[in-house]
Amino acid sequence: RKEVEQDPGPFNVPEGATVAFNCTYSNSASQSFFWYRQDCRKEPKLLMSVYSSGNEDGRFTAQLNRASQYISLLIRDSKLSDSATYLCVFFSGSARQLTFGSGTQLTVLP
Amino acid sequence: DGGITQSPKYLFRKEGQNVTLSCEQNLNHDAMYWYRQDPGQGLRLIYYSQIVNDFQKGDIAEGYSVSREKKESFPLTVTSAQKNPTAFYLCASSVTGPGTDTQYFGPGTRLTVL
Repeated sequence: RKEVEQDPGPFNVPEGATVAFNCTYSNSASQSFFWYRQDCRKEPKLLMSVYSSGNEDGRFTAQLNRASQYISLLIRDSKLSDSATYLCVFFSGSARQLTFGSGTQLTVLP
Repeated sequence: DGGITQSPKYLFRKEGQNVTLSCEQNLNHDAMYWYRQDPGQGLRLIYYSQIVNDFQKGDIAEGYSVSREKKESFPLTVTSAQKNPTAFYLCASSVTGPGTDTQYFGPGTRLTVL
């Protein structure tokens, strides 16, 4: 089983739609969780950290399910500018490094 | 403005040549990292350094070398021993270690081996 699994997409959604991505991880010792956003041919940038209680930042909501070992990202009221690849990222204290998923590609259509 | 710079943006290399990618940061971060990204894949860690004059191998260090003589600089050398070096190389830094601090990425260098 891969350490991190993400649906690569592409997800093509109309403006204003709600879209959700899941990301599963195999290392139960993973301690910290993040979503990064990467625009085409650019560097990744932190979108948000994911906390056990779930957290929201404007139109974005991140959740963690430790029992089932996945994190999720929900985007409400999608904008054209949300078009990007979304990377899920985990930190394991034992490995002492971040593990990146391969990303889910989102295209928001006018 | 504080940030991370990488140069060059695009680099072409002939097979058998070593090449050095530059990474500089003025964020006063202790930790720096090098990743490689291939199409459709996640970032893979090549090397990281948490303090000057010290660095650790990541998952795919073979064929690469680094140095950390100054806090601000963490150059990566891609040697001729690296069998498939064509990729997008990303440098990152964080305040301390990789666990809880946000990693900030440079704009990347696209290396193509001809």
